Amino acid sequence: KAGVTQTPRYLIKTRGQQVTLSCSPISGHRSVSWYQQTPGQGLQFLFEYFSETQRNKGNFPGRFSGRQFSNSRSEMNVSTLELGDSALYLCASSLGDHNKETQYFGPGTRLLVL
Amino acid sequence: AQSVTQLGSHVSVSEGALVLLRCNYSSSVPPYLFWYVQYPNQGLQLLLKYTTGATLVKGINGFEAEFKKSETSFHLTKPSAHMSDAAEYFCAVTQESGGYNKLIFGAGTRLAVHP
Repeated sequence: KAGVTQTPRYLIKTRGQQVTLSCSPISGHRSVSWYQQTPGQGLQFLFEYFSETQRNKGNFPGRFSGRQFSNSRSEMNVSTLELGDSALYLCASSLGDHNKETQYFGPGTRLLVL
Repeated sequence: AQSVTQLGSHVSVSEGALVLLRCNYSSSVPPYLFWYVQYPNQGLQLLLKYTTGATLVKGINGFEAEFKKSETSFHLTKPSAHMSDAAEYFCAVTQESGGYNKLIFGAGTRLAVHP
């Protein structure tokens, strides 16, 4: 089975712009979660989608949003980029039926905001 | 609220020595506990997890961890370090009720292995 894929792998944007990141889960997985990884804050949960519905949300401002399509692929969008949004954005997929399931992570998208 | 504390942001061991990475958690309900490893410029890879049952959990690459409820700990060990073990290791917790698929991570421990 192919693993979790994320595109693009690297992005450079300037402050005020917006960005869209994409995540394709493992075939058969219905849950996609997004995490932000920074040196200062570590790994932080952004949100989780299951069957096209946001099921859980972390403590991030409304500039961070996401969606999930019927094929379980997910996108996250960050509007009005700030310097502090520079980070590695990781998505993870799982079957989504129970918290004890393993989440499988993609390689991440590294975003640099100038 | 759940939380995870990893003692030691950097750990250095000699090749062949014991690896011990410490993780303590806080959870008001029975936790599910995970250890992930991250190599440079890569995502996270699951090493092992504890959900229920046997408290000593064996994972990939010779790693194991023991869930100790009385100590709220889930320390990761490996009897003999290999150069390829150099990476960053993250302990994470989630719980049965609520917060679907929301992993709470520790700050991570960077393991260095020297000859």
